[in-house]
Amino acid sequence: EAQVTQNPRYLITVTGKKLTVTCSQNMNHEYMSWYRQDPGLGLRQIYYSMNVEVTDKGDVPEGYKVSRKEKRNFPLILESPSPNQTSLYFCASSHTGTIKNIQYFGAGTRLSVL
Amino acid sequence: AQKITQTQPGMFVQEKEAVTLDCTYDTSDPSYGLFWYKQPSSGEMIFLIYQGSYDQQNATEGRYSLNFQKARKSANLVISASQLGDSAMYFCAMSNAGGTSYGKLTFGQGTILTVHP
Repeated sequence: EAQVTQNPRYLITVTGKKLTVTCSQNMNHEYMSWYRQDPGLGLRQIYYSMNVEVTDKGDVPEGYKVSRKEKRNFPLILESPSPNQTSLYFCASSHTGTIKNIQYFGAGTRLSVL
Repeated sequence: AQKITQTQPGMFVQEKEAVTLDCTYDTSDPSYGLFWYKQPSSGEMIFLIYQGSYDQQNATEGRYSLNFQKARKSANLVISASQLGDSAMYFCAMSNAGGTSYGKLTFGQGTILTVHP
């Protein structure tokens, strides 16, 4: 089954404790992206990757890191989480980043930073 | 800058009736794509329908159709014969050929649809 898999689905942590949210896709997609969803703001892009070893900032990259060492994986790293990073996070992938490429989303990771 | 506006925070519809969810967009790019996604209470994002800026005909996918009015910069989602399972949050989104973020989807704030039996 074609899918984007995120782990964990739910995470409660404390300020300053490094964490990683994993994302994996089995569709051989070149393009992967991370979004965060906050009430009243819709989804905003954090980082994206056009292919292996190619990543760039989205609209809200502060406090986050990413890496793309393999085509299928695109982990999101919070080196020192803060309460304002409490949010619902989505990983998405598509064949490319062109305008007509449908982005398929993972099930989401709900993060609470205390 | 690209912007998506969904002016209906919440909508109610009777089961089996049709409903229209509004979406207006703002972009200076001549080439762009418009998407609708559904987010049920379980939280996942489900792709529904896509419309390209150069597509001559309105997109349709089963009970979903996109009423694309380019001059008005609107891309309303029409759901025909609503079902209880259509109750969810619906997001309109846009992708652009230009801009500072390759492949980025710009999302609206969402509309919560409630289908009554």
